[in-house]
Amino acid sequence: ILNVEQSPQSLHVQEGDSTNFTCSFPSSNFYALHWYRWETAKSPEALFVMTLNGDEKKKGRISATLNTKEGYSYLYIKGSQPEDSATYLCASLDRNYQLIWGAGTKLIIKP
Amino acid sequence: NAGVTQTPKFQVLKTGQSMTLQCAQDMNHNSMYWYRQDPGMGLRLIYYSASEGTTDKGEVPNGYNVSRLNKREFSLRLESAAPSQTSVYFCASSPGPIPNGYTFGSGTRLTVV
Repeated sequence: ILNVEQSPQSLHVQEGDSTNFTCSFPSSNFYALHWYRWETAKSPEALFVMTLNGDEKKKGRISATLNTKEGYSYLYIKGSQPEDSATYLCASLDRNYQLIWGAGTKLIIKP
Repeated sequence: NAGVTQTPKFQVLKTGQSMTLQCAQDMNHNSMYWYRQDPGMGLRLIYYSASEGTTDKGEVPNGYNVSRLNKREFSLRLESAAPSQTSVYFCASSPGPIPNGYTFGSGTRLTVV
């Protein structure tokens, strides 16, 4: 079983500040890396799927990078807003098409 | 609205009772999944169905059964509920067996007392 680690577990950020957090995954047998945003009382919503080393994806103020050689991905949020408060999940898909999830980073934006 | 519909949203069961969680998607997706979410842990796959007519065990299948009734519907059954099955359950679907971005249902919060 792959082990996907996310850090930090939780994060308090002042409104307007930028922030980032990490997803670490085993680099061997890697196929793709998923990021999801999960608001309380809602269902997880797909943000990005990345496959190639050096991939960068952007959606509004949120962006992500991928390093498959060293096995990590960063998620960045620029100019945090209260609506960014959520748990951000990453999941690593291996070449056996097995998707393993991290436990998430809970982001709380303080007004 | 297009998406994954999951029922019920909340359920309390007594130990030993049975119940079925229902899931339906209207996106013509081939693959469907059942996950459980426990505090401090990542989503764990219970069962999945890569395509209509097939089902396979995931990481934590014990105590559960599934039925892929047709392309749209994938149900999860607890035959004899145990307190260890207290969890939040999510159904998800994807276009094909290679998960290229799931669509999730809204979740079922199940408590077994």
